[in-house]
Amino acid sequence: DAGVIQSPRHEVTEMGQEVTLRCKPISGHNSLFWYRQTMMRGLELLIYFNNNVPIDDSGMPEDRFSAKMPNASFSTLKIQPSEPRDSAVYFCASSPGQGYAEQYFGPGTRLTVT
Amino acid sequence: GDSVTQMEGPVTLSEEAFLTINCTYTATGYPSLFWYVQYPGEGLQLLLKATKADDKGSNKGFEATYRKETTSFHLEKGSVQVSDSAVYFCALSYNTDKLIFGTGTRLQVFP
Repeated sequence: DAGVIQSPRHEVTEMGQEVTLRCKPISGHNSLFWYRQTMMRGLELLIYFNNNVPIDDSGMPEDRFSAKMPNASFSTLKIQPSEPRDSAVYFCASSPGQGYAEQYFGPGTRLTVT
Repeated sequence: GDSVTQMEGPVTLSEEAFLTINCTYTATGYPSLFWYVQYPGEGLQLLLKATKADDKGSNKGFEATYRKETTSFHLEKGSVQVSDSAVYFCALSYNTDKLIFGTGTRLQVFP
C-alpha cells in the first residue's frame, strides 16, 4: 500500500507566482483533507472533500486559495498569487469514508514563498 | 463549539521516565477520541483511539482512557525512549470524517 502521495515535497517560489500542490489519496478512500501547519497557527484544516465534492471549505484563508478534486484519485491545492505568509507545510490526508474518522496523512509539501 | 485542549510543551524527559500528556475536550455529545503522533519531517499518524466512555486505547506502550466524567483523554507511557520524541496531537470526532485537533505537545526524550 503506497499511502497518501504528495508532490512536490519541497517548493520554493517567489511572491506573486502560482503554486500547485498535488495529492493522491489511498485507493478506495472516499474523503480527502487539506491541512496547513505553521509554528504560529499550528495545524489548520483548509478544506475537505467527500466523494470528490467539497463539504467544508470554511478554513480556506482567502480567494487566493482554491482546491479541486476532479476524480477519486487526485486533488490539487492552488495558491495564486502566493505570498510570503503562505509559507508552511501543507498536508493531504484521506479517510475511508463518512463515519470512519481515522485519517491517513501524506508526508507533506514544505512551501517557501520568498 | 467543540474543542480540544492540550498541555503546552515541550515536555522534556529522560529515557525510561513516565510520560503523561494531558488532554481535555469540550463537546456537546459523545465523540470518539484520538491521539496522533508526528515524527520529525513526517505527517501525522494515528497512535490510538477510543470510541466510547471508559474505553482504553493502547498502542506501542502508550495508553489513554476515555473519561466522560472529567472530559479527559490523557496519554501515558510507562517508560519512554528517545525514539518517542515527536509531537503528539489529541483530537475528537463525532464519527464523521472531520477531526478537531488540539494544538499539539512536543515531547523531547534525552538519553
